[in-house]
Amino acid sequence: EDQVTQSPEALRLQEGESSSLNCSYTVSGLRGLFWYRQDPGKGPEFLFTLYSAGEEKEKERLKATLTKKESFLHITAPKPEDSATYLCAVQAGTGGFKTIFGAGTRLFVKA
Amino acid sequence: SAVISQKPSRDICQRGTSLTIQCQVDSQVTMMFWYRQQPGQSLTLIATANQGSEATYESGFVIDKFPISRPNLTFSTLTVSNMSPEDSSIYLCSVPGLGSEAFFGQGTRLTVV
Repeated sequence: EDQVTQSPEALRLQEGESSSLNCSYTVSGLRGLFWYRQDPGKGPEFLFTLYSAGEEKEKERLKATLTKKESFLHITAPKPEDSATYLCAVQAGTGGFKTIFGAGTRLFVKA
Repeated sequence: SAVISQKPSRDICQRGTSLTIQCQVDSQVTMMFWYRQQPGQSLTLIATANQGSEATYESGFVIDKFPISRPNLTFSTLTVSNMSPEDSSIYLCSVPGLGSEAFFGQGTRLTVV
């Protein structure tokens, strides 16, 4: 069964304190792994797509990496405005466009 | 990226009643998806709505409870019928991008009392 597990559930950082969020996945034939940011009261906002092991994507203070079993979202020198819930999702090679989401990591960055 | 307008943004409803959520996209799309996000939980796909055909429902979701309309390539509605407090959740519509990523509306926060 396709599954996505994110850890930790919540992460509290001081401004400037770099860290990583983890996304472990089990899927039959990975079509793509996605990262989203969700602010309270809003829908998820697309950040990155990773397609194959070894791939990396960067955007401002965020960097996403992918291995055959997990993905990391590295946050370098975070700022309070990076506080949000970060969602990981996978799409299998079978089953059309069905996307499986993890429960998310709630990130709090304190000034 | 697609721009998706969803309404209402929030509502408080009496149990036993129904609520229809609207989703409007600024471009034509073949597929639209409806998700539910319960407090503290991940997004769960309710159904896939294709224009011109009946929606495809995921396990645990039935058409009588969540009827969906898809009258054209830019619009869809989801109705939550005969509501109970367990239906209190955020409901989201979504469309796929060129790379299979998803673009979401801002969500509808439903509270059933």
